[in-house]
Amino acid sequence: SQTIHQWPATLVQPVGSPLSLECTVEGTSNPNLYWYRQAAGRGLQLLFYSVGIGQISSEVPQNLSASRPQDRQFILSSKKLLLSDSGFYLCAWTPGGQGNEKLFFGSGTQLSVL
Amino acid sequence: DQQVKQNSPSLSVQEGRISILNCDYTNSMFDYFLWYKKYPAEGPTFLISISSIKDKNEDGRFTVFLNKSAKHLSLHIVPSQPGDSAVYFCAASAQRGAQKLVFGQGTRLTINP
Repeated sequence: SQTIHQWPATLVQPVGSPLSLECTVEGTSNPNLYWYRQAAGRGLQLLFYSVGIGQISSEVPQNLSASRPQDRQFILSSKKLLLSDSGFYLCAWTPGGQGNEKLFFGSGTQLSVL
Repeated sequence: DQQVKQNSPSLSVQEGRISILNCDYTNSMFDYFLWYKKYPAEGPTFLISISSIKDKNEDGRFTVFLNKSAKHLSLHIVPSQPGDSAVYFCAASAQRGAQKLVFGQGTRLTINP
């Protein structure tokens, strides 16, 4: 069966510090991978998605970046965090290919930037 | 521009009664709709979906109704159970692919014993 791992579960970082959140998927090959953010009182906002190694699409301009160094690994990064980067970050996957909307989410990372 | 809106941030229902969660959308091109359920400190999990060619889809205690003319969908849970207490997100898509999904803000459902 497929599983998705996301860490850390919580993170408190000072403004201006770097960020690295990691997500890995097991039990499947060539998944589509996604990073979402949920800010307080807001819906889930898609930040990045990837259909293959090294292929990243950005949905929202910001000071975050994503990378996919391996087929089942997705990393969310920032060189310098802003207060507005605080939120709940979720990694998700769908089977590769088109036409699949059923996302499988990781357990999330609660990021607090102080 | 909030294309998918869940206007009730919270809902409280007695155990055994019906829970009705509502979702409105503005984009008439949306043709596929999903509901996700989220427990605290966990990621959302897929619950039920409906295509615009249908007006109802049922899965056990969960039924989703779609009213295209009103651009409204609702999720009915009958009977409600304590384990149903969670945040529910509706999502809509006009094109195939999860990257096209637009999510609502979520409704926190509390089932009281």
